Amino acid sequence: NAGVTQTPKFQVLKTGQSMTLQCAQDMNHEYMSWYRQDPGMGLRLIHYSVGAGITDQGEVPNGYNVSRSTTEDFPLRLLSAAPSQTSVYFCASSYGRLAGYEQYFGPGTRLTVT
Amino acid sequence: AQSVTQLGSHVSVSEGALVLLRCNYSSSVPPYLFWYVQYPNQGLQLLLKYTTGATLVKGINGFEAEFKKSETSFHLTKPSAHMSDAAEYFCAVRNNYGQNFVFGPGTRLSVLP
Repeated sequence: NAGVTQTPKFQVLKTGQSMTLQCAQDMNHEYMSWYRQDPGMGLRLIHYSVGAGITDQGEVPNGYNVSRSTTEDFPLRLLSAAPSQTSVYFCASSYGRLAGYEQYFGPGTRLTVT
Repeated sequence: AQSVTQLGSHVSVSEGALVLLRCNYSSSVPPYLFWYVQYPNQGLQLLLKYTTGATLVKGINGFEAEFKKSETSFHLTKPSAHMSDAAEYFCAVRNNYGQNFVFGPGTRLSVLP
């Protein structure tokens, strides 16, 4: 199993550009989430999904869109990049309650917006 | 709403000394509790988790944590620090009624020779 994969590893955008961060998991997990990590703030939830076709907003959703058309994939779209979106982005997936919600994380995407 | 606090953004210990990283949470219902470790330029890796049952939980790399409901705490300990333990550690909480994890701000552990 590859686990949770994310592409790209690094990305530099100019203000106003759009892009999609890719996330895929091969563990048949129901739950998938996107977080951003900023120094001193831990991980903050952007969007999450509890199954194909179902998504919801997290703590910091503004400027980001998600969709979940398959169990495996959960892309994160930046609509119009801003310098405040410079961060490290992590995708995570997990089973539900019976597995204790244990999350598996991808390696991250480091995004810089200039 | 759930929240997590971690006392000390940076903790330094000598190699061989006790490691104690503190985590307190707020949750109105019984929580699931987690400790994750992040090595530089990597993703997060699960160290240990508490769901139900025994309140002393053992994890990987010699770490353990104790769930104390009366103190709403889940402190992480290791009897003897190793240089390879230098990393950032995150405490997180989830419950059955919320859909989300809430992470603490993290504690960076340095291990001095």
